[in-house]
Amino acid sequence: SQTIHQWPATLVQPVGSPLSLECTVEGTSNPNLYWYRQAAGRGLQLLFYSVGIGQISSEVPQNLSASRPQDRQFILSSKKLLLSDSGFYLCAWLGNYGYTFGSGTRLTVV
Amino acid sequence: SQKIEQNSEALNIQEGKTATLTCNYTNYSPAYLQWYRQDPGRGPVFLLLIRENEKEKRKERLKVTFDTTLKQSLFHITASQPADSATYLCAASEAAGNKLTFGGGTRVLVKP
Repeated sequence: SQTIHQWPATLVQPVGSPLSLECTVEGTSNPNLYWYRQAAGRGLQLLFYSVGIGQISSEVPQNLSASRPQDRQFILSSKKLLLSDSGFYLCAWLGNYGYTFGSGTRLTVV
Repeated sequence: SQKIEQNSEALNIQEGKTATLTCNYTNYSPAYLQWYRQDPGRGPVFLLLIRENEKEKRKERLKVTFDTTLKQSLFHITASQPADSATYLCAASEAAGNKLTFGGGTRVLVKP
């Protein structure tokens, strides 16, 4: 069966520090992968999606970037975090019946 | 661009009653509407998908409708239970395999 792993679960980072969140998928090949952010009490905002290795589409201009170095690996990064980058980050892959989301990373920038 | 609107007010309902949630889209009719359940601090979990040409879809105690005239989907939880308490998200996509646009979600609280 397909599973999606996301880590870390929580992260507290100072303003100006770098960020790297990793997401890996098992049990499928060439998945469509997505990074979403959810602000407190808000809906999910699509940040990036990827249909294959090295292929990244950005939905919202921001302080973040994404990379897909391997088929089942999707990384969200930032060189210098801002306070506004705080939120709940979710990785997802698209299966035959909807999205499967990871467990999320709660990022607090202080 | 597509905008998905859900009632931001929490829905408080007595156990055993039917909870009905509304999802409205503002632009073109999406090819697919999906509903997800999200518990606090967790990622959303897929519940149901309904296609543009389907009027209704059921799964156990859940029922979803799709009305392209009203630009609306309704999500029903029948015989609600306290374990159904969660936030429910509506999402739309233009085609299968396309990225989703999510609504803000509606929180449901089922009281025993």
